[in-house]
Amino acid sequence: KQEVTQIPAALSVPEGENLVLNCSFTDSAIYNLQWFRQDPGKGLTSLLLIQSSQREQTSGRLNASLDKSSGRSTLYIAASQPGDSATYLCAVISGAGGTSYGKLTFGQGTILTVHP
Amino acid sequence: ETGVTQTPRHLVMGMTNKKSLKCEQHLGHNAMYWYKQSAKKPLELMFVYNFKEQTENNSVPSRFSPECPNSSHLFLHLHTLQPEDSALYLCASSPAGGDQPQHFGDGTRLSIL
Repeated sequence: KQEVTQIPAALSVPEGENLVLNCSFTDSAIYNLQWFRQDPGKGLTSLLLIQSSQREQTSGRLNASLDKSSGRSTLYIAASQPGDSATYLCAVISGAGGTSYGKLTFGQGTILTVHP
Repeated sequence: ETGVTQTPRHLVMGMTNKKSLKCEQHLGHNAMYWYKQSAKKPLELMFVYNFKEQTENNSVPSRFSPECPNSSHLFLHLHTLQPEDSALYLCASSPAGGDQPQHFGDGTRLSIL
């Protein structure tokens, strides 16, 4: 059974810092990995999706890497801002995709606080 | 605005009540999902529907009954719930194919008395 772990559980940094959020998964046979953001009282917003054949994806100040063989992904946030404060969730779709259609397994998230 | 709308946003019900959660997506997607988010637990997938057909039931108790009348609407019918069912229930949708990002609604906060 796939398990996803995120470290740290919470992180507080001053504005402007570059930071790294970590995600690990127990079964390396994944179809893709996604990073989401969740603001308090809201649903999830998809940030980045990395296919199993890819090593990284970038969007603005965000960069996500994937090392499938070691079961790890990192989300790098450059020049953090107070507006980046949220819970960041990592999720994977395991298996060959066709038999695991949309079945995301989530980590518990990292609560990020960026203070001015 | 995510394109996925959930109603109601908050619901308080007794254990003997029957209620329904509604989800509607305006994105032209063909897959829809129900998730449960409890305090201190990872987000859990409950049900998956593809082209109105249920393709996944993640061992969900029968007191939760999903319904997908068309690709744009998804319901979760609730009856005889337990206090541990109190949680945030999130709906999501995606295009066909498991390699596309899922779009989430803002959820229904359910409290069981």
